[in-house]
Amino acid sequence: SQELEQSPQSLIVQEGKNLTINCTSSKTLYGLYWYKQKYGEGLIFLMMLQKGGEEKSHEKITAKLDEKKQQSSLHITASQPSHAGIYLCGADPSNDYKLSFGAGTTVTVRA
Amino acid sequence: KAGVTQTPRYLIKTRGQQVTLSCSPISGHRSVSWYQQTPGQGLQFLFEYFSETQRNKGNFPGRFSGRQFSNSRSEMNVSTLELGDSALYLCASSLGLAGYTFGSGTRLTVV
Repeated sequence: SQELEQSPQSLIVQEGKNLTINCTSSKTLYGLYWYKQKYGEGLIFLMMLQKGGEEKSHEKITAKLDEKKQQSSLHITASQPSHAGIYLCGADPSNDYKLSFGAGTTVTVRA
Repeated sequence: KAGVTQTPRYLIKTRGQQVTLSCSPISGHRSVSWYQQTPGQGLQFLFEYFSETQRNKGNFPGRFSGRQFSNSRSEMNVSTLELGDSALYLCASSLGLAGYTFGSGTRLTVV
C-alpha cells in the first residue's frame, strides 16, 4: 500500500510568516489531495493535484505536485491564525476508491 | 448545497455492545467511504460503497461492517465493541474520482 510521509510533524510560525509542508510518497504519485482538519472535526478539502508539475492556489495556499520526486508541497503565504490546524495529504494510487493519508502536520500560528 | 451529514456526533458505548453510525452523502454522490482516525494509527480506510455495493475494504476485523441504501445513505456497524475502537469515524462522499468531501465525523468512546 502507498505510504505517505509528511514533514515536518509540527511547526510553529509567527503570524505573517510563510510556511511549507511536504508530503513524500513511497510510490509514484498520480494524484494527491490536501485537507485541513481542526482537532476532532472533519476534513476540509483544500486542493486536488492530478498531474505532475501541476500547481494550484486558493487564497494564500499554494500546492505543487512533483511527480518525479514523488512529492507534493503545500505553501502558505503570510500565515494567519485561521491557518492553524492539522494538514493532511492523501492519495489513491490504485484508483480503487481507497485513500491513504500521511500522519499530518500540525500548524500553530502565533500572534 | 448540504454537505456530508454524519450522525450521531458523539457516542459513548460500553465494551461488548454494538453501535451503528450513519452517513448521508451530498445529493447526487453515489460513492460513500468510511475512515477511522485514532492518535496512534492516523486515518485508516474502512470500506467504500457505490450503488449499494462494497467496492473496497480495508484491513479491519469482521466486527466492522457497512451497507449502503438505495438513496446512497450509508451505515457502518461495529459489533462487540472493544476499548481500541474508540476513535473518530469519518465518512466521505464522492462523485467518482473527482474528490472526496468529508463529514464532521462521529466521535465514539468505548468505556
